[in-house]
Formats: sequence, C-alpha cells, structure tokens
Amino acid sequence: KAGVTQTPRYLIKTRGQQVTLSCSPISGHRSVSWYQQTPGQGLQFLFEYFSETQRNKGNFPGRFSGRQFSNSRSEMNVSTLELGDSALYLCASSLFAGGNTGELFFGEGSRLTVL
Amino acid sequence: AQSVTQLDSQVPVFEEAPVELRCNYSSSVSVYLFWYVQYPNQGLQLLLKYLSGSTLVKGINGFEAEFNKSQTSFHLRKPSVHISDTAEYFCAVRGGGSNYKLTFGKGTLLTVNP
Repeated sequence: KAGVTQTPRYLIKTRGQQVTLSCSPISGHRSVSWYQQTPGQGLQFLFEYFSETQRNKGNFPGRFSGRQFSNSRSEMNVSTLELGDSALYLCASSLFAGGNTGELFFGEGSRLTVL
Repeated sequence: AQSVTQLDSQVPVFEEAPVELRCNYSSSVSVYLFWYVQYPNQGLQLLLKYLSGSTLVKGINGFEAEFNKSQTSFHLRKPSVHISDTAEYFCAVRGGGSNYKLTFGKGTLLTVNP
C-alpha cells in the first residue's frame, strides 16, 4: 500500500511569490491534515480537510490556504511568501470512521526555502 | 485546549543504555496520547499510542510508554538503545470528540553514542 506522497520534496522561492504544495493520501483515507515544522516553533497545525471540507484550522494568517479534491488529494497554497515561511510542510492522512483514534500517517514533507 | 510539554530538548545516551523521554500534557477532557519518531529528512512515524485500557503501552522498535493520569504524564522508555534509535521524538495529544487535531510537543532529540 503506497504511503502519503508529497510533491515537490524541495523548493526555493523568493519573497512575495506564491507556492502550491500537493499531497496524495493513502488510498482510502479521506482526511488530510497539514502541519508546518520549523526549528523554533516545532510542529504547528495548519488545517484539516475531510470530504473536501475544511474541518479544523490553526492560527495562521489568511495567506495560508488549502483545499481537498474529490479523490481526497489535497493542496495547500501560501501567497505573498515571507522569509519566516521557510519550513518543512508535512501532510498527514487518516482513515475516518466512527471512533477515529486520530492516528496520522505522515508524508516525508515538502521543504520550502524562501530567499 | 490541549498542550504538551517535552521536558528535555536533547537526550544523549550511550549505546545499550536505558533511556526515558519525558512528556507531560494538559487537557480538560479525556485524551488520546501518541509518540512519533522522525528520522533525518523524513516524515513522522507512529511509535505507539494510548487510547484506553492498560496504562502500559508497547510500540515498535522495543519502545514502551506509561500513561499516568494523576501525573498527566506519558513518558517513553526503552531498556537498551541502539545507534539506529538516534532521531527526534515527538509526544502528541488529541482530545476526544470530533476534533482530530493533534497537538505536538517541541520534540526531544535522542542521540545514541557508541
């Protein structure tokens, strides 16, 4: 069974540009969450999607947005990039069912560097 | 709201020594608790989880953790570590109900020296 796939793995952008990151969840998983990982702040929750609907959102500015498609693939977008957006962006999927235990399966991440 | 405190940012140990990585949480509701491991340039992998039942939870790679409700702790232990256990370890908590968001601690870097 294929794991969570994130693309691209590495990318470099300049301030003011925008970026789109993609995440393909494990087959059959309907929930996708996004996290930002930085050395200073650790892992911070961005948002979670289930069945194309955003269910939870973290404390990030509106420059950070996401969406989920009918095949459960998800994208996140960051507009007007700032230096502080440099981070590892991790996507995680989970199998939703009644009594979901919240176990997340993570991809290897997309490492964004903003110059 | 939940929060997680990992008391040590770095833990150096020698190979074959025992190790304990400490985690304390706060939550106003019953919780689910997790330990994840992250190897360099990789995503996070689940080590073990506490959902309910026995307070001693066994995970992969010989790790175990004990849930202590009175002390709001969920410390991770391994009786004998290997060089390959060198990685960053994250404790995480999820509250009950329909909020599936995980709140992570800042992580503990375990370095196993020969």
